Amino acid sequence: GAGVSQSPSNKVTEKGKDVELRCDPISGHTALYWYRQSLGQGLEFLIYFQGNSAPDKSGLPSDRFSAERTGGSVSTLTIQRTQQEDSAVYLCAAGRTLQETQYFGPGTRLLVL
Amino acid sequence: DAKTTQPTSMDCAEGRAANLPCNHSTISGNEYVYWYRQIHSQGPQYIIHGLKNNETNEMASLIITEDRKSSTLILPHATLRDTAVYYCIVRVAYSGAGSYQLTFGKGTKLSVIP
Repeated sequence: GAGVSQSPSNKVTEKGKDVELRCDPISGHTALYWYRQSLGQGLEFLIYFQGNSAPDKSGLPSDRFSAERTGGSVSTLTIQRTQQEDSAVYLCAAGRTLQETQYFGPGTRLLVL
Repeated sequence: DAKTTQPTSMDCAEGRAANLPCNHSTISGNEYVYWYRQIHSQGPQYIIHGLKNNETNEMASLIITEDRKSSTLILPHATLRDTAVYYCIVRVAYSGAGSYQLTFGKGTKLSVIP
């Protein structure tokens, strides 16, 4: 595709439920990043993947958050036992390599009630 | 922590050039200056980046001072659609030199006025 796509666009869930957010990066872009943006806040790094290397998970806020990338392409961010403070826009970005420009998707707006 | 300083907000008249400044006095030799913008409710959009030389593309120009401690993003003919928050970010360029994630500050909210 022409750009990074994310699904769903919006997700409303109840506290305590698990959610999965999906990112489809630009074809051939081996670096993939997840960020989140809480209301009125800046973007916060969560995790990145580069090819088959071990991901950098240093930004994940708790062990309720995890991410995987299958086949070096699509990535899924999973939040277990969601809390209200998890409400945010979750953004995915992709780059040809880790060193090159990151291009962002439209984001998934998550609301935890 | 963000390594850049930007004004909180700026106004620009439609059709005029918008000049957005950024200070990055602690930038190191292997760090690029990147500019992104975020229009309300959308993901950040890449604009331009540079290392030492001035850069120009179809969206904007980037002027980097000789000492690399500051830069200016220029939108030559601002339109209402350029109203957004503009982020100036320094980011490591070379493998092994550090982390590759982007660190966003608060940016400059640019309002283009009709």
